[in-house]
Amino acid sequence: GEDVEQSLFLSVREGDSSVINCTYTDSSSTYLYWYKQEPGAGLQLLTYIFSNMDMKQDQRLTVLLNKKDKHLSLRIADTQTGDSAIYFCAESMGYSTLTFGKGTMLLVSP
Amino acid sequence: NAGVTQTPKFQVLKTGQSMTLQCAQDMNHEYMSWYRQDPGMGLRLIHYSVGAGITDQGEVPNGYNVSRSTTEDFPLRLLSAAPSQTSVYFCASRRDLVDYGYTFGSGTRLTVV
Repeated sequence: GEDVEQSLFLSVREGDSSVINCTYTDSSSTYLYWYKQEPGAGLQLLTYIFSNMDMKQDQRLTVLLNKKDKHLSLRIADTQTGDSAIYFCAESMGYSTLTFGKGTMLLVSP
Repeated sequence: NAGVTQTPKFQVLKTGQSMTLQCAQDMNHEYMSWYRQDPGMGLRLIHYSVGAGITDQGEVPNGYNVSRSTTEDFPLRLLSAAPSQTSVYFCASRRDLVDYGYTFGSGTRLTVV
């Protein structure tokens, strides 16, 4: 079955880079997503990567995909206190639903 | 403003009561889903719909009903509330299979006492 695993917590200092990791089990996943959830809010799509890509860069965000190891990472450059949130990795096989990881809480200290 | 609207934002129910969580989107999205979020559990899919008149079960459907009579609305009904249904509920929609992301509502925080 589908399963998405993430580390639960990451703490960094402002200005450092943050790397949040995710592993997934379903090799037929077509899209992989990163969502951000701030306290008391819904989920906001940060970025996505199609399964035939290795890397995607979008301003301060870099997504790396290793299909062989089924490993996805999100790198946030120059992390700011406003980046403190929970980050969810999710996979989709192109159907109507997503499977989410349990989320990584990122804490950015000044 | 375009988006996914959920009502109410907060609700307290007594065990055994029933209620409907409302979800509406004005983006003409075909696909809509309901998730629940519990501490340490991530988001789990309750029910989803691929279009008006079509619904299907997700990972945790027991105790919930849905219907999709229009493209815009996808209400979630709790038949007989239980404390285990205390959670934050999110509705999400996307345009079609090649739409790259879901739009989420801001959530309904439900407490069952």
